[in-house]
Amino acid sequence: EAGVVQSPRYKIIEKKQPVAFWCNPISGHNTLYWYLQNLGQGPELLIRYENEEAVDDSQLPKDRFSAERLKGVDSTLKIQPAELGDSAVYLCASSFGNRETQYFGPGTRLLVL
Amino acid sequence: AQSVTQLDSHVSVSEGTPVLLRCNYSSSYSPSLFWYVQHPNKGLQLLLKYTSAATLVKGINGFEAEFKKSETSFHLTKPSAHMSDAAEYFCVVSDRTGANNLFFGTGTRLTVIP
Repeated sequence: EAGVVQSPRYKIIEKKQPVAFWCNPISGHNTLYWYLQNLGQGPELLIRYENEEAVDDSQLPKDRFSAERLKGVDSTLKIQPAELGDSAVYLCASSFGNRETQYFGPGTRLLVL
Repeated sequence: AQSVTQLDSHVSVSEGTPVLLRCNYSSSYSPSLFWYVQHPNKGLQLLLKYTSAATLVKGINGFEAEFKKSETSFHLTKPSAHMSDAAEYFCVVSDRTGANNLFFGTGTRLTVIP
């Protein structure tokens, strides 16, 4: 069974440019999470989806970050415009409903110059 | 509020010797606790989890952890380190509400010396 897929794996952009990350969760997992992992830190939740509904986006900086999960499967996380401080790893995870085990993708490593 | 504290940012052991990675938790509820491992350029992988069943939890690759409520600890151990164990390890607590949000520690980097 395929795991959580993320693309791209690496992205280098200049500040003020837009960037988007894509995530395909494990088949059948209706809960999807986006996490931010800064260097030397543990991941922190940005947003959680139940199917296509964003049920917890309290930690998402809404002035520049947006996310969508239109059909309740794939998801896209966008930053516009990117800032130097956005350089980090962006992780996607999925789980089956209320089951607690979250399965993580390999992440997208973003470098903003 | 839920949080975890990983007491060591870096642990170094010789191959074949025991591993101990320390974690203390804080939780308003009876917690669920996890250990995840992150190898370079790979996703986080679940090693083991505690969800109020047996206090000694066995995980993959020979790792185990013991939940000690009196000490609010959930230390990760392995009897004999292997070179492939070198990675970043995260202790995680879940709030066990419907959200099941995870709260990660800052990680412990394990180095295994040949």
